[in-house]
Formats: sequence, structure tokens, C-alpha cells
Amino acid sequence: DAGVIQSPRHEVTEMGQEVTLRCKPISGHDYLFWYRQTMMRGLELLIYFNNNVPIDDSGMPEDRFSAKMPNASFSTLKIQPSEPRDSAVYFCASSQQGAGELFFGEGSRLTVL
Amino acid sequence: GEDVEQSLFLSVREGDSSVINCTYTDSSSTYLYWYKQEPGAGLQLLTYIFSNMDMKQDQRLTVLLNKKDKHLSLRIADTQTGDSAIYFCAEYTGGFKTIFGAGTRLFVKA
Repeated sequence: DAGVIQSPRHEVTEMGQEVTLRCKPISGHDYLFWYRQTMMRGLELLIYFNNNVPIDDSGMPEDRFSAKMPNASFSTLKIQPSEPRDSAVYFCASSQQGAGELFFGEGSRLTVL
Repeated sequence: GEDVEQSLFLSVREGDSSVINCTYTDSSSTYLYWYKQEPGAGLQLLTYIFSNMDMKQDQRLTVLLNKKDKHLSLRIADTQTGDSAIYFCAEYTGGFKTIFGAGTRLFVKA
């Protein structure tokens, strides 16, 4: 299996622009997680899905953030409008059972100018 | 509440043992994990221990769990330059939520 695939790997955008990050989980994994990593706050769970249904989005910082999972092999995290404080590395992870054994993608590094 | 704490940095010489420590607060943790993150990459699961175990050994890695003190450690024997990375302690307490520590950056000096 190719592992969790994220795109883009790097994104540089200007404040106010819309950003869409994409994730393809490992086939057969029923859980998908979006994390954000910053130096100041470490690794934060934003939202997770089970069988394509959002279960817990309490970590999503603001209404500017939204996430979807239209099918078992694709998820998006959208930020609209983006702000400089959104600059971070965004990770997607998937798992079979939802427990701590998570498989991470390589991350999308977002820079908002 | 749930919290996982780790020291931020550790520096060792190549060939020495590294010991990375972690404390957690939730006594109902069922699994405790160690993840490794290399530069520019995602986290990768290194090893885990079930909460009813005291120790787990896997090649150069030894995990020790002290449930009474809620203390977890990862020992890397014969540390190599390729072990330089950030190591994250994580606890799973149920509810499909994994709580990560801030990560310990390991520097290995040749």
C-alpha cells in the first residue's frame, strides 16, 4: 500500500485566499484524522471521521475551517479565508480501529503571508 | 484532564543509550505509544505498550511503564545518527482520541 497520501506538500498563499488540503487514506481504514502541528501548540487534533462521517470537530479552530469526506478514499480540509496564524503543517492520518495506532501522511506545509 | 508531558530536548553521543521520558495524567489510558518524526516527514509508530504491561523490548528499543507514577520511558540502545528525530509520547484513553505530547527532539552527536 502507498500509505496516506497528502497534497499539496507545500502551499504558500496570501491572506484572504482559500486553501484546500487533500488526503487519501490507506485503503480499508475506517478512521481519518486531521491534525495541525505548530511549534507553539504541538500536534492538535482538528477533526476525525469514521466511515466518512464527521464524529468530533471540536478541535476545528474557527468557522473558517471546514472538512469533508465525500467517500472512503478522499478527504479535504478547507480554510476560507486564510490568515497568517493558520501557517502550520497539516497532517492527515488514518487507522483501522480508531485507537492510537495511526498512520500519518507526510503533511502539507502551509504558509499564509 | 488529559495531558502528556515530555522534555523538549535530549542530546547524546553516538553509541550511548538515549532515554526519553514522558508523564501522562489519565490513569484510564489503555495504550501508550511512541512515535518518531524525521525532518519533513509525518509521524511513524515506533512501538507501543498496553497498560497492563511493565516493559516491552523490541530490538534496540525498550519501553518501561510505571503506572503508579504515570511515567513512560523509551530507551534506545546504541544510539545512531539516524535516530536523530523528534519522539512523541501518546496515550489512547478511548473515544478514538489519541493525546500527543509536545515531542522530544533527540540530537545524536557523532
